[in-house]
Amino acid sequence: NAGVTQTPKFQVLKTGQSMTLQCAQDMNHEYMSWYRQDPGMGLRLIHYSVGAGITDQGEVPNGYNVSRSTTEDFPLRLLSAAPSQTSVYFCASRFILGQADTYGYTFGSGTRLTVV
Amino acid sequence: QQQVKQSPQSLIVQKGGISIINCAYENTAFDYFPWYQQFPGKGPALLIAIRPDVSEKKEGRFTISFNKSAKQFSLHIMDSQPGDSATYFCAPNDMRFGAGTRLTVKP
Repeated sequence: NAGVTQTPKFQVLKTGQSMTLQCAQDMNHEYMSWYRQDPGMGLRLIHYSVGAGITDQGEVPNGYNVSRSTTEDFPLRLLSAAPSQTSVYFCASRFILGQADTYGYTFGSGTRLTVV
Repeated sequence: QQQVKQSPQSLIVQKGGISIINCAYENTAFDYFPWYQQFPGKGPALLIAIRPDVSEKKEGRFTISFNKSAKQFSLHIMDSQPGDSATYFCAPNDMRFGAGTRLTVKP
């Protein structure tokens, strides 16, 4: 299993450009999510999905779109990049631990995005 | 609304010492209390988690203690090692992450 794979690892965008951050998992996890990580802010939830065809907003959804057409893929789209979106982005999928209602997350290695 | 407050922001411990990181939360509906460990350049990884039906859980050198009445839970790292140097996050219900604690264990 490759786990959670994110591409690209690094990206520089100009203000106003659009792009898609890719996320794929091969563990057949239903629940996937996107976070952004900024210094001193921890990780903040952008969007999440509980299964194919279902997405919902997290804590900081503005400026981002997601879709979930398959269980494996959960891309994050920046429609018109702004310098405030400079951050490290992590995709994660959720797995169930042995005990019922106990779960954890597997994170990708991140995409470092700079918007100039 | 700040729902999760983590302390300290940074911590320096000598090898073999005990590292203690605290997490205070506001939402009494939280029912799952994990800690994540993150090394530089990597995504966070689940370290240990607890449900509120127990007050303590131990896995190797890592222990979570939970105080429901105070709405706090803590991570204790016994016999801290240089390899434990990382940033630690609490994340009640995995929806709100604390700001993180950067732990440095000096040899």
